[in-house]
Amino acid sequence: GAVVSQHPSWVICKSGTSVKIECRSLDFQATTMFWYRQFPKQSLMLMATSNEGSKATYEQGVEKDKFLINHASLTLSTLTVTSAHPEDSSFYICSASKGVNEKLFFGSGTQLSVL
Amino acid sequence: GENVEQHPSTLSVQEGDSAVIKCTYSDSASNYFPWYKQELGKRPQLIIDIRSNVGEKKDQRIAVTLNKTAKHFSLHITETQPEDSAVYFCAARANNLFFGTGTRLTVIP
Repeated sequence: GAVVSQHPSWVICKSGTSVKIECRSLDFQATTMFWYRQFPKQSLMLMATSNEGSKATYEQGVEKDKFLINHASLTLSTLTVTSAHPEDSSFYICSASKGVNEKLFFGSGTQLSVL
Repeated sequence: GENVEQHPSTLSVQEGDSAVIKCTYSDSASNYFPWYKQELGKRPQLIIDIRSNVGEKKDQRIAVTLNKTAKHFSLHITETQPEDSAVYFCAARANNLFFGTGTRLTVIP
């Protein structure tokens, strides 16, 4: 199978600070990675599609200046939650696939708590 | 974009009974339909998937059916076990993957 690593697994931060979450494909190259957000007892909501070497594509309602995505290499995408506030507290999960029509593999998720 | 609806939101069955979860999708261009099992605080785990050129797929106690005309697909779990208890998500993909709202399955020993 394919392994997607996500760090950190949990983070607690003060309101107003920025938090960076990393997503790595360990044994394959991922041209595209996806970032999801999941509130307690709710579904996974697609936030954005991260494309290597180009700008991310954001879903409607997701602030691109709030959630900065960088996909600098074929194995690494980062999500930075800027000026985090308590309402940003959530479970963030990345995913990646080997190709356009390939299965998605998920990272282990990051639980963000903003105080 | 794609809209995926999932029912029921909660499902309780006795151990050994079958469980069925149903999903509908809106985008006729969707061609890939995976099902994920997620335990609390963990990543979604792919349990079975089906592509639009297939009507049914089975893997041991788990099966998925797809009706492209009606735009709905279903997950069937037979001989349920307590360890099957989790939240199950269906998903549909044309370009991006969109998830259903989830079903919390509880298998009562």
